[in-house]
Amino acid sequence: SQKIEQNSEALNIQEGKTATLTCNYTNYSPAYLQWYRQDPGRGPVFLLLIRENEKEKRKERLKVTFDTTLKQSLFHITASQPADSATYLCALDDFRMDSSYKLIFGSGTRLLVRP
Amino acid sequence: DGGITQSPKYLFRKEGQNVTLSCEQNLNHDAMYWYRQDPGQGLRLIYYSQIVNDFQKGDIAEGYSVSREKKESFPLTVTSAQKNPTAFYLCASSMEREAFFGQGTRLTVV
Repeated sequence: SQKIEQNSEALNIQEGKTATLTCNYTNYSPAYLQWYRQDPGRGPVFLLLIRENEKEKRKERLKVTFDTTLKQSLFHITASQPADSATYLCALDDFRMDSSYKLIFGSGTRLLVRP
Repeated sequence: DGGITQSPKYLFRKEGQNVTLSCEQNLNHDAMYWYRQDPGQGLRLIYYSQIVNDFQKGDIAEGYSVSREKKESFPLTVTSAQKNPTAFYLCASSMEREAFFGQGTRLTVV
């Protein structure tokens, strides 16, 4: 069956450290993988997109890697701050036979950054 | 301001009633999506639409219906056939790949 798995346990780290979140997928062949941030009671907000032919993408303190052989993406936040505390969701596109595609999300990992 | 607007923010439904959640976007996006989120869970896809007058079922479409008569609008009806409708509902739109989300509608069955 098709699955997108993120660590369901919260990640609790000290301010200033690097947070690393994992997204693994099974029986998908995404051309793109995305990461979103969601705060409680709010809609997710787009952070980064990485294409299947890209190994790494950076944006300020954020870094995403994409390994299509391992079927895994890693999301890093360097020099983490308490304001980075949120739930982080990975998402990938699932292309259909009729050329449409749907955006599928993982269950998210909650990040807590202690001051 | 361009964006995606969901209304109402909170909605209470009696058992056996149909309710319609509104989603409007002025971003000129072709694709629109409806997701359901339960406490501590990820987003599950209900319906999606790539163009006007066309839509496809997602992973949990039973008990829901949608229409896409205009590019800007993608309303979701939660029917009485949906046995456990209490959840947080999120609408999104996209042009290329990045999805823009509304602020959500929290539906509670009373």
